[in-house]
Amino acid sequence: GIQVEQSPPDLILQEGANSTLRCNFSDSVNNLQWFHQNPWGQLINLFYIPSGTKQNGRLSATTVATERYSLLYISSSQTTDSGVYFCAVNAGNNRKLIWGLGTSLAVNP
Amino acid sequence: DGGITQSPKYLFRKEGQNVTLSCEQNLNHDAMYWYRQDPGQGLRLIYYSQIVNDFQKGDIAEGYSVSREKKESFPLTVTSAQKNPTAFYLCASRLAGAGNEQFFGPGTRLTVL
Repeated sequence: GIQVEQSPPDLILQEGANSTLRCNFSDSVNNLQWFHQNPWGQLINLFYIPSGTKQNGRLSATTVATERYSLLYISSSQTTDSGVYFCAVNAGNNRKLIWGLGTSLAVNP
Repeated sequence: DGGITQSPKYLFRKEGQNVTLSCEQNLNHDAMYWYRQDPGQGLRLIYYSQIVNDFQKGDIAEGYSVSREKKESFPLTVTSAQKNPTAFYLCASRLAGAGNEQFFGPGTRLTVL
């Protein structure tokens, strides 16, 4: 089945820094989502982005479907950005999301 | 407020007991999902349902059961047959025909004593 790999696994930033998180997937997908899991466990939808580029405030994402990767950009990071960022994909008629292991981000004041 | 609610937030049970986790949504979503998350891991699919009175096993269905009698509700029962039930359980829902974007509830943390 399709494999999803996220990098880096861990990231520590000083407040105000920028970062790029990467998601590679092993086959064509028809859906890709980025989530932020906060320290209380809540999964927050960031982007639904099977292809192209989207921006939402300090966050933006780009998926290059032909090259099988997606990038999540965080600019001017804040302590509230801390948590785990997950990438999840869906392929074909299968309605199941396949998940990466996440990038654990800590933003220090 | 529209959204997905899960209860309880924390749940403790003794070995050998069955326990039911609640998931309710008022988003008029058609499909609902149960995932399990273990520390340092991604999510794994337990069961999903795309319409009322129908559901399918996910990747780790053994030791779990579900029902879908109403569109709004998709309860998950963790049975005594589940060998390692201590985990964080997340419920999600999706509107049919709107791609596959899933939205998640706040989760239930189950601990078996």
